[in-house]
Amino acid sequence: ILNVEQSPQSLHVQEGDSTNFTCSFPSSNFYALHWYRWETAKSPEALFVMTLNGDEKKKGRISATLNTKEGYSYLYIKGSQPEDSATYLCAFVNDYKLSFGAGTTVTVRA
Amino acid sequence: SQTIHQWPATLVQPVGSPLSLECTVEGTSNPNLYWYRQAAGRGLQLLFYSVGIGQISSEVPQNLSASRPQDRQFILSSKKLLLSDSGFYLCAWSVSSYNEQFFGPGTRLTVL
Repeated sequence: ILNVEQSPQSLHVQEGDSTNFTCSFPSSNFYALHWYRWETAKSPEALFVMTLNGDEKKKGRISATLNTKEGYSYLYIKGSQPEDSATYLCAFVNDYKLSFGAGTTVTVRA
Repeated sequence: SQTIHQWPATLVQPVGSPLSLECTVEGTSNPNLYWYRQAAGRGLQLLFYSVGIGQISSEVPQNLSASRPQDRQFILSSKKLLLSDSGFYLCAWSVSSYNEQFFGPGTRLTVL
């Protein structure tokens, strides 16, 4: 079982503020890193698939960066909105499967 | 477009009873298929994955089993449920191991 860690476990952010959180993963034998958003009462949905060191991807107000040499990825939310409230999961690709972190639960307060 | 179905949505079963959860995918061929479980207060744990018909890889030794009788059908089973089998079960598919995974709506299993 690969060690994929996310921090913090949870955070609260005021509407309009920006925030970021971390995913760390093994730096050897890297293939890809995924980010998913899991809203309450829904299924996880993919945000990003990141494959190259230095990758930076963006979807609306959410962006992610990747450092494969040191084994970490940041996810940023700019100008948080209540609809950004969700658990954000990162997952490390190894062989045919994903190893998920425990997630960071973001709560945006209006 | 592709869709993924899971049923039932919720299930309450007594300890020692059998289990069968079904997952089907539409709109794609030869997908990779996955079963995950989220136990209370924990992250997603991969239980089984399959890269083709009849090919099943198990990640965690337990009293659960999986089968893939058809290309787009993935079944999770147990002969005798334990209390610790309670949780939220998700099925997912992907084009390949590197591509994003698409998740079904999930099954909430409570074992009493």
